Formats: sequence, C-alpha cells, structure tokens
Amino acid sequence: GAGVSQSPRYKVAKRGQDVALRCDPISGHVSLFWYQQALGQGPEFLTYFQNEAQLDKSGLPSDRFFAERPEGSVSTLKIQRTQQEDSAVYLCASSLDRQESETQYFGPGTRLLVL
Amino acid sequence: GENVEQHPSTLSVQEGDSAVIKCTYSDSASNYFPWYKQELGKGPQLIIDIRSNVGEKKDQRIAVTLNKTAKHFSLHITETQPEDSAVYFCAASMNTGFQKLVFGTGTRLLVSP
Repeated sequence: GAGVSQSPRYKVAKRGQDVALRCDPISGHVSLFWYQQALGQGPEFLTYFQNEAQLDKSGLPSDRFFAERPEGSVSTLKIQRTQQEDSAVYLCASSLDRQESETQYFGPGTRLLVL
Repeated sequence: GENVEQHPSTLSVQEGDSAVIKCTYSDSASNYFPWYKQELGKGPQLIIDIRSNVGEKKDQRIAVTLNKTAKHFSLHITETQPEDSAVYFCAASMNTGFQKLVFGTGTRLLVSP
C-alpha cells in the first residue's frame, strides 16, 4: 500500500523566504511526527500530532517554525524567514495510534537548502 | 532529557562477516528501542525493535540485545550482504505518553563483496 509521502522532495530557498513542506501520512494513521535531520546526524524530534491536535512542539527550534494538521490527515510544516541553519532534511513519520512502542513509518523527506 | 550515543560511526566488513553496532542511553525511563536503516535519499526504515521487558530479540540475520542495568543495547547482523550497506540508527523512546524517539548519530555500514 501507499506509504508516507512528502513534497516537495527538494527545496532551494533564499535566506528570508518562507517555505511550506507537506506530509501525507498513511491513511488512517492517528499519530504524525516531524523530525529534522542535519547532514550526517540522526533525526531530531520537532513536533507531534494526535489527529488534528498538536500535543508536543517542544522540538521546534524557534517561533519561525510552525506546523499544522487541520483535518487530522495531511500536515504542513512552515518555516518563516528561512536562515542558512535551517538547511536540513525534514522527515515526516506516521503511526497507527499514540500508544508507545508503535512503529513509526517515515517518508522520504524534504531536503531544504537555504542559500 | 534523553541522550543516545552510538558507536562506531563507520564500520567496514567483508561479505559474510558479522557486524555489531552499540548504543547507550541515559534515561532509565526509556522502554522502547528501535533500530532503523536509512539508504541514500530515503527515509529511515524500521528493521527491528526491542522493549525493556525483553533482553534479546532475533529476526533472521538481525538480532538486538538490551542490557537495562548498563543502559546498553546492540544490533547484530550476521552473514552480511552488500545490500546491508546503509546508515543504521538506534533510538530510544522517552516515556512521555507517546513515542518520542531520540536517535543516535548513526553508523555507516559498508559491506564489501
């Protein structure tokens, strides 16, 4: 079946531009996660949604980062006034429900380069 | 908060050899430890996981061991094949009511034919 999809796969932005990254989770998955993966590093947690509710946003680096999931399915991560340090791969993952030990299925990521 | 350390950062083996990757974690409340394989240009894919009430788990050529006392867990791959070449990440889940994964820094495994 269809896995997690993300778009665009690549994004080049000039410093100061706003960007929006989209995540389509696996159909029916309640939980949705965003991670940031810097070059040569492991993914780092950004934020978590249970359906449309954003229950944890403790990993968002600054108030320039904003995520939403208005209808409990598709999610968008928005970065305002992008900076060079925002360059990274942004990964989205979904899981069936919020219980611990539930497998997270990752999308291919969006590679963001800020010039 | 939780901190996960992973070693080695790179590992080169000959086809057919075994490979071992080790991780340590800091938060004794962590109770779920997955391992992910990431190929170039792709997202991480779960290959095996273990929970804190189990000491060892095996799935064909892959096994994971957990030592809760020492806060260590390890990935063992036997009879390695060139297609095992990838970056492997360990992770630990903080007990926050949902699966908030903290990842290690990754191990690049190269299996030479």
